Amino acid sequence: KNQVEQSPQSLIILEGKNCTLQCNYTVSPFSNLRWYKQDTGRGPVSLTIMTFSENTKSNGRYTATLDADTKQSSLHITASQLSDSASYICVVSYYSSASKIIFGSGTRLSIRP
Amino acid sequence: ETGVTQTPRHLVMGMTNKKSLKCEQHLGHNAMYWYKQSAKKPLELMFVYSLEERVENNSVPSRFSPECPNSSHLFLHLHTLQPEDSALYLCASSQGQADTEAFFGQGTRLTVV
Repeated sequence: KNQVEQSPQSLIILEGKNCTLQCNYTVSPFSNLRWYKQDTGRGPVSLTIMTFSENTKSNGRYTATLDADTKQSSLHITASQLSDSASYICVVSYYSSASKIIFGSGTRLSIRP
Repeated sequence: ETGVTQTPRHLVMGMTNKKSLKCEQHLGHNAMYWYKQSAKKPLELMFVYSLEERVENNSVPSRFSPECPNSSHLFLHLHTLQPEDSALYLCASSQGQADTEAFFGQGTRLTVV
């Protein structure tokens, strides 16, 4: 069964600290993986996309990794800021007669001052 | 702004009412989507339109009726909804389907009373 699981469900850290969010998937055949940030009451916004051949990709203080062998991805946030408080959603695309996507349930991150 | 605009932002309706959600994209994309986001649940894909034709309908109840009059506009017509239909309804668009970046609107927060 194609699934995307994220951990932890929620996380609270102090401003300035680093954190890592996890995404495990069982999707096949894999196409790509995206991390989205969703602020409360707003639509998700894409942070980064990982394809099969990419291991690491950075976008400012956000660094995503992908291990296609173990089907795991992580999103590392460095020097967290209050504005990083949001839900982070892992989305995996795959092919099944047509392109399809599966959303993870997200990790709710709260940054405390 | 993501280039995808949804109206209204908030909607309260009774179970016997008929209302419509509107989505408009200014990105020149050829695919549009309706998603439902309930509390503490992953985003659920409801409908996909590609080049104004419906290509996917994930077993959504008939009380939700989509309409895509052209590639820039998408509607979701609502009638005889249930309280469990209360959720954030998100519209998105993309250049292709599934494996390309989706740009989301800010959503309509729907409450059914």
